[in-house]
Amino acid sequence: GAVVSQHPSRVICKSGTSVKIECRSLDFQATTMFWYRQFPKQSLMLMATSNEGSKATYEQGVEKDKFLINHASLTLSTLTVTSAHPEDSSFYICSTTRDSGGMSTNEKLFFGSGTQLSVL
Amino acid sequence: DAKTTQPTSMDCAEGRAANLPCNHSTISGNEYVYWYRQIHSQGPQYIIHGLKNNETNEMASLIITEDRKSSTLILPHATLRDTAVYYCMLYGGSQGNLIFGKGTKLSVKP
Repeated sequence: GAVVSQHPSRVICKSGTSVKIECRSLDFQATTMFWYRQFPKQSLMLMATSNEGSKATYEQGVEKDKFLINHASLTLSTLTVTSAHPEDSSFYICSTTRDSGGMSTNEKLFFGSGTQLSVL
Repeated sequence: DAKTTQPTSMDCAEGRAANLPCNHSTISGNEYVYWYRQIHSQGPQYIIHGLKNNETNEMASLIITEDRKSSTLILPHATLRDTAVYYCMLYGGSQGNLIFGKGTKLSVKP
């Protein structure tokens, strides 16, 4: 069964509004969450890594003021797309590892089911 | 940038083995080879991973060359449901980045 729950699965919003995406680990603590973005027919692009109780680490070229990440608890991380524009339309996916703060040598990265964001 | 290269696409007949190659010539000693697959508009699904020994599970087998510069994912009896994009990636611990390459689009045909 799913170990990472991501909501909503699909959202349509008007340009200029903000959208929040939630990612929950089920029955385990996720110290670290990873957020990816995927455009049609392209691979997943790592946006940021969030650690519980501290500021997220953003990849180069990702605007931290645009994509707000909050990881206030060990089971919940949220990604807020602020003042969304049509170019932010994409498939957003969260992921985490079970138990530890990072992917250790024998762990697997579990993914949420993704959120399809469409900005009109 | 991704440290792995894979063919863009491959076809396989249903019921036959699908062999998906991955090159990772700059792999570091502590990096594992991970394989995931993604079916359209879904989150990636874990398949298998290994360090240097060959690995097998209920889904697939992973063959890693002795120099660890390349690997092959084997789906022993491909079904139509195995049609997906398959990603090979490297990870060596908490200091690394989880970077996806472009993957291989596998099409299983009846």
